[in-house]
Amino acid sequence: KAGVTQTPRYLIKTRGQQVTLSCSPISGHRSVSWYQQTPGQGLQFLFEYFSETQRNKGNFPGRFSGRQFSNSRSEMNVSTLELGDSALYLCASSSLITSGRAGGELFFGEGSRLTVL
Amino acid sequence: GESVGLHLPTLSVQEGDNSIINCAYSNSASDYFIWYKQESGKGPQFIIDIRSNMDKRQGQRVTVLLNKTVKHLSLQIAATQPGDSAVYFCAENMSSGTYKYIFGTGTRLKVLA
Repeated sequence: KAGVTQTPRYLIKTRGQQVTLSCSPISGHRSVSWYQQTPGQGLQFLFEYFSETQRNKGNFPGRFSGRQFSNSRSEMNVSTLELGDSALYLCASSSLITSGRAGGELFFGEGSRLTVL
Repeated sequence: GESVGLHLPTLSVQEGDNSIINCAYSNSASDYFIWYKQESGKGPQFIIDIRSNMDKRQGQRVTVLLNKTVKHLSLQIAATQPGDSAVYFCAENMSSGTYKYIFGTGTRLKVLA
């Protein structure tokens, strides 16, 4: 079974540009989450999608957006890039819906490393 | 505010010794916790999880302990091996039925030969 696939793996942008990152979840997984990882802040939750609907959103500015398609693939977009957006962006997929209870393993991809110059 | 934190940013242990990585969480309503391992250049990998109705769970060479009284989580690795060298994160799930996790800042484990 293929794992979570993220593209591109590496990219370099300049300030003011925008970027779109793609994530293909594990087959059958309907939930996709995005996290930003930086040396100083660690892993921070961006948003989570399930069945094309955003269920949760982290504390990031509106420049960060995402969407999920009917095949569960997801994209995230960052507009008007800033130097501080340089980070590893991780996508994770999950299969369980534990109604009324927290939990369920996240399966992470290798990430997309964004450098903003 | 809500947070999940780690007491030690770097832990060095001798090969063969046991490792203990600690984590504090702040939300007593959190129901589920996961430990992840992240090797250089890779995404985090699941190690072990535990629900709030348990205080201990064992896996292969790993044990997670949960102390809800003091809101403390620990990961014990038995007979630490060079392949265990990585950054370890604890994560807390605070939203029932969703996958919004709060991650700790991470502890780097270095295994000395």
